[in-house]
Amino acid sequence: EPEVTQTPSHQVTQMGQEVILRCVPISNHLYFYWYRQILGQKVEFLVSFYNNEISEKSEIFDDQFSVERPDGSNFTLKIRSTKLEDSAMYFCASRGNRGLGGGSPYEQYFGPGTRLTVT
Amino acid sequence: RKEVEQDPGPFNVPEGATVAFNCTYSNSASQSFFWYRQDCRKEPKLLMSVYSSGNEDGRFTAQLNRASQYISLLIRDSKLSDSATYLCVVNHSGNTPLVFGKGTRLSVIA
Repeated sequence: EPEVTQTPSHQVTQMGQEVILRCVPISNHLYFYWYRQILGQKVEFLVSFYNNEISEKSEIFDDQFSVERPDGSNFTLKIRSTKLEDSAMYFCASRGNRGLGGGSPYEQYFGPGTRLTVT
Repeated sequence: RKEVEQDPGPFNVPEGATVAFNCTYSNSASQSFFWYRQDCRKEPKLLMSVYSSGNEDGRFTAQLNRASQYISLLIRDSKLSDSATYLCVVNHSGNTPLVFGKGTRLSVIA
């Protein structure tokens, strides 16, 4: 079964450092997303990306964040100058024009996440 | 008012029991509805989309009531492996992001 992959699984960084989180979406998917989940809280949307540009972003996605699709497979989230409150699980998700099981075209499939710890 | 509300639980049920979760959403223009399952410290995994006519997948049945802005999930014959947090998720329109509830925790006990 096709799946979204993410690297690294765990990243520890010091406050003020830059991190890049990497994702490989499902191969024929066209819509890409980043979400985050702070421990004990709900999953929150950060940004969506389609046709090589940001289509929507949340209030969380401020100037310290950026996304890029540097080649045909990778989708990255960069956090410049990390803060303690950036510590969270970061999930990448993708969707195509049809669900994997032939279901709703709006189904999003999530990668296993990167646990970011800022010290 | 929270966009997607769920009873956090936990629901502790014996194996074989039937359990139902409910969810309400605030945006009446919402278009797509899903149940995801999340194990501890793992990613949300799509359990099923929820359609207006209701839909069933094995032991799982989902219902949508647009008039009441209410979604439900019924799990029959609970298994130990069903223990997880069940996330109610709404999408306002096709290209907009998913909006998650905080989830309902289920523990199935032997």
